[in-house]
Amino acid sequence: GAVVSQHPSWVICKSGTSVKIECRSLDFQATTMFWYRQFPKQSLMLMATSNEGSKATYEQGVEKDKFLINHASLTLSTLTVTSAHPEDSSFYICSALLIISNTEAFFGQGTRLTVV
Amino acid sequence: AQKVTQAQTEISVVEKEDVTLDCVYETRDTTYYLFWYKQPPSGELVFLIRRNSFDEQNEISGRYSWNFQKSTSSFNFTITASQVVDSAVYFCALRYNFNKFYFGSGTKLNVKP
Repeated sequence: GAVVSQHPSWVICKSGTSVKIECRSLDFQATTMFWYRQFPKQSLMLMATSNEGSKATYEQGVEKDKFLINHASLTLSTLTVTSAHPEDSSFYICSALLIISNTEAFFGQGTRLTVV
Repeated sequence: AQKVTQAQTEISVVEKEDVTLDCVYETRDTTYYLFWYKQPPSGELVFLIRRNSFDEQNEISGRYSWNFQKSTSSFNFTITASQVVDSAVYFCALRYNFNKFYFGSGTKLNVKP
């Protein structure tokens, strides 16, 4: 089956630093990837849609300068949390759309970010 | 607008009991997909089932069964003879607009031995 891998699985960083999270489709190509955020004991909320070769589309209320998304290839999208603050601590999860069918999306295992 | 409601925040049962997790959705789309995912403490989303809006057949997979009723906009999930390993947060989700997912708030299931 299709596999989506996120790296790192967890990360701790200091306030003010930036951290990059990678989302890779391991055995398929994905023109579109999605980034979700999950606060503790809450649901997953869509942050942005990442499109290969073009700018990401952000959901309302999500700061694009804060959460930089780059989709440089058909198998890799990155989310960079810039100038991280403790309130950015969250679980971030991506999903990748299977290019062939464009009807199935697969989720990564998630990245737990803690900003201290 | 899309909306998924999981009214049960947390459910506790004793092992071997049956349990039903409720899911009610709203959408104006005529074609849509509904999903159930399991999220164990490790955090990853485990796919359980996908159902499209044109298929109202109920489905059974081992101890899991799903009841999809368009008339009531519900897609309920039943675990028969629950086990401790079933303890997790379960999300119902609606897929819309080119594969975006709208997730319900989740139901935490605690299965006690």
